[in-house]
Amino acid sequence: AQSVTQPDIHITVSEGASLELRCNYSYGATPYLFWYVQSPGQGLQLLLKYFSGDTLVQGIKGFEAEFKRSQSSFNLRKPTVHWSDAAEYFCAVGRPISVTYKYIFGTGTRLKVLA
Amino acid sequence: DAGVTQSPTHLIKTRGQQVTLRCSPKSGHDTVSWYQQALGQGPQFIFQYYEEEERQRGNFPDRFSGHQFPNYSSELNVNALLLGDSALYLCACSLEGRGANVQTFGAGSRLTVL
Repeated sequence: AQSVTQPDIHITVSEGASLELRCNYSYGATPYLFWYVQSPGQGLQLLLKYFSGDTLVQGIKGFEAEFKRSQSSFNLRKPTVHWSDAAEYFCAVGRPISVTYKYIFGTGTRLKVLA
Repeated sequence: DAGVTQSPTHLIKTRGQQVTLRCSPKSGHDTVSWYQQALGQGPQFIFQYYEEEERQRGNFPDRFSGHQFPNYSSELNVNALLLGDSALYLCACSLEGRGANVQTFGAGSRLTVL
């Protein structure tokens, strides 16, 4: 069965430091992969997505992610973290339903940023 | 272009009651998916609607039902509420075919069952 694992429940970084959030997936075919961010009381905002092609994907707010098939990973990175990046981050894999998809999410990583 | 609108934003119910949550998709988005996000968890797929029919269902009991209207808006109904139904319910919309693999989420309806 398809699954997504985010090993880190909480991560704390200092403002200005770099960030890497881990995501591992289990999926038989070429996956469609996503990172979403959720601020308190808000819905999910798409940061970036991977469908095919270049394995390094650029997203919004200065985030990037790298797809590594050999490691079944899709880790999210940001070189310089800002206090406004404090939020919960979800990795997801898209599973086909006919010509559309449903998402399977990880349990999330809550990011705390120290001033 | 309005985003995905969900209502109500918050509500409180007691065990055994019934609840209806509503979702209005982005303009032109014809596919609606519903997710349940329990506290401290990632969203879990409930079901998806397209052309007013349920296309696929996740591992949720029949107490959870839905409907899609001709204007693509959707409702999620939950009967015989249990304490464990307390969660944030998210609606996600996409466009059939092109771009179908990217879903836009609403802000959610937070349900508390007492």
